[in-house]
Amino acid sequence: GQQLNQSPQSMFIQEGEDVSMNCTSSSIFNTWLWYKQDPGEGPVLLIALYKAGELTSNGRLTAQFGITRKDSFLNISASIPSDVGIYFCAGHRGRGGGADGLTFGKGTHLIIQP
Amino acid sequence: DAGVIQSPRHEVTEMGQEVTLRCKPISGHNSLFWYRQTMMRGLELLIYFNNNVPIDDSGMPEDRFSAKMPNASFSTLKIQPSEPRDSAVYFCASSWGIRYGYTFGSGTRLTVV
Repeated sequence: GQQLNQSPQSMFIQEGEDVSMNCTSSSIFNTWLWYKQDPGEGPVLLIALYKAGELTSNGRLTAQFGITRKDSFLNISASIPSDVGIYFCAGHRGRGGGADGLTFGKGTHLIIQP
Repeated sequence: DAGVIQSPRHEVTEMGQEVTLRCKPISGHNSLFWYRQTMMRGLELLIYFNNNVPIDDSGMPEDRFSAKMPNASFSTLKIQPSEPRDSAVYFCASSWGIRYGYTFGSGTRLTVV
């Protein structure tokens, strides 16, 4: 199936730094979601975006739904050790409330150096 | 709310054996999804159900894979016969529609030797 292009693949940062990652697609999505996965666990939803141009925050996390509907960005401000993990973007094509499958990016590994 | 419950958490089996993975979705959710995660291919959608009915199984890799949802509170993913390349983490997720996101279980790590 189609994959989203997520970058960077990994990030090595210092505690307290800001983080930016993005996801792009060759086709349009109507919903963008960002998930975080900790080792040995399933992905957990962080932020959901439903409208082109939408900017949504969840604590230190901010995500944006690109105007073209083909991309999305996630920023984490003032990183802390518990931010370590794999971050996934996911796109959904369906309109309305119907539940169809999500297409996932391959993830961004965030590593925080002490 | 106990979340999405998957069992077993780990499964090690020999090539050729039948494997059955189980999932209990969140009560009230009407959609259920099976995903497979590998290093090479990331998270891939295998099949999903709406109101217990399979909607799209185009992601199921081969006829060796089958999934059922006999009622709203239970689903199985079966691999028969299993092969080493089936080794992966298999996730089940449930949802009440995209506006509420999908909730994933903790996964089943399958190793076929």
